[in-house]
Amino acid sequence: AQSVTQLDSQVPVFEEAPVELRCNYSSSVSVYLFWYVQYPNQGLQLLLKYLSGSTLVESINGFEAEFNKSQTSFHLRKPSVHISDTAEYFCAVSTNNAGNMLTFGGGTRLMVKP
Amino acid sequence: GAGVSQTPSNKVTEKGKYVELRCDPISGHTALYWYRQSLGQGPEFLIYFQGTGAADDSGLPNDRFFAVRPEGSVSTLKIQRTERGDSAVYLCASSLMWDSNEQFFGPGTRLTVL
Repeated sequence: AQSVTQLDSQVPVFEEAPVELRCNYSSSVSVYLFWYVQYPNQGLQLLLKYLSGSTLVESINGFEAEFNKSQTSFHLRKPSVHISDTAEYFCAVSTNNAGNMLTFGGGTRLMVKP
Repeated sequence: GAGVSQTPSNKVTEKGKYVELRCDPISGHTALYWYRQSLGQGPEFLIYFQGTGAADDSGLPNDRFFAVRPEGSVSTLKIQRTERGDSAVYLCASSLMWDSNEQFFGPGTRLTVL
């Protein structure tokens, strides 16, 4: 079985500051890693994913995440946040031999202040 | 194109009643997933379908929960004898194939059991 831990339930940050949202996972098999974002009153949207290859993956809106196998982490970073980044962020894992169902962390609420 | 849709968006019921929640996946997607998101938590897997059959129902909490997908498209999650602890947002997701690595989520149905 897999599990995902998001260490911070809330992260307040000022606009244009950098941010890191932490995610650690545990699994006995190889995993695929995902970050989903949930804006207020909207559904979950895929932000970025790691399947294989380069351990650094990027989204179209400036977020990036790095897969670190030795530390079993997949932290999400952005060098300069905007007010519009305010949302709930969920880290998730799946394994190819489990029908790709996702195991989610508890979520981190990113609150960007002006 | 149309995304995953779920109806109703909100459902309020009384303890002990029966409810049905509907999911319309993206056209052509063969895999369909149900998740449950309780307040302040990440989504938890309930069941997934590949075509018409339930390939994995290990996440269903007890035998009051049941889901069907008779024609391999629309799915219905059925909850009998609802309890207050069933209150949550029920999310549906679909993907092109079971081994596709992106699930597209619907907006969810918020179930409140009084």
